[in-house]
Amino acid sequence: KAGVTQTPRYLIKTRGQQVTLSCSPISGHRSVSWYQQTPGQGLQFLFEYFSETQRNKGNFPGRFSGRQFSNSRSEMNVSTLELGDSALYLCASSRGTDAYEQYFGPGTRLTVT
Amino acid sequence: DAKTTQPTSMDCAEGRAANLPCNHSTISGNEYVYWYRQIHSQGPQYIIHGLKNNETNEMASLIITEDRKSSTLILPHATLRDTAVYYCIVSRTPSGGYNKLIFGAGTRLAVHP
Repeated sequence: KAGVTQTPRYLIKTRGQQVTLSCSPISGHRSVSWYQQTPGQGLQFLFEYFSETQRNKGNFPGRFSGRQFSNSRSEMNVSTLELGDSALYLCASSRGTDAYEQYFGPGTRLTVT
Repeated sequence: DAKTTQPTSMDCAEGRAANLPCNHSTISGNEYVYWYRQIHSQGPQYIIHGLKNNETNEMASLIITEDRKSSTLILPHATLRDTAVYYCIVSRTPSGGYNKLIFGAGTRLAVHP
């Protein structure tokens, strides 16, 4: 079956703008998690959505937000972009109920100039 | 979630077993050990997980010490395609809605001919 897909794969934005990233989970998966990966901080958990509700949250400012739709697709939004938001944003999906494995997408590479 | 300690880097000859250690001395009774790996420029890939018994799947074996304070991931016949960063993660059971992975720095495994 098809894996996790993320769009766009690459994005260049200017400081102060906002950005929306999209993630389509594996068919049948109800949980979508978002992670940020930077050379300095490594892989950091942003938040997780299950059945359209945010169920788990990391330690990121309110500029980072997300949502999940009824078909389990998810979007994350970053407002008022800062240079430090340049990163690889990864999304992962899982069944969501007693699911031990998370399946990651290829990521969206965001560059803020 | 309990903290893990892994060597920064390791080398392995192609065809030999790669044994990747992980210390998690503060692990709690309801926490699992997970292993993921990330091949350059790709999203992380789930490998295996375990609670207290040794586990094996088509990718690897996981050996957890009796006191559960450390574990070893074994790739029985390493190939060049196993060159990646390997992450050992300790996390609560996903039962009850907890579903997030806290990544450390991982071990960079280089498999050479």
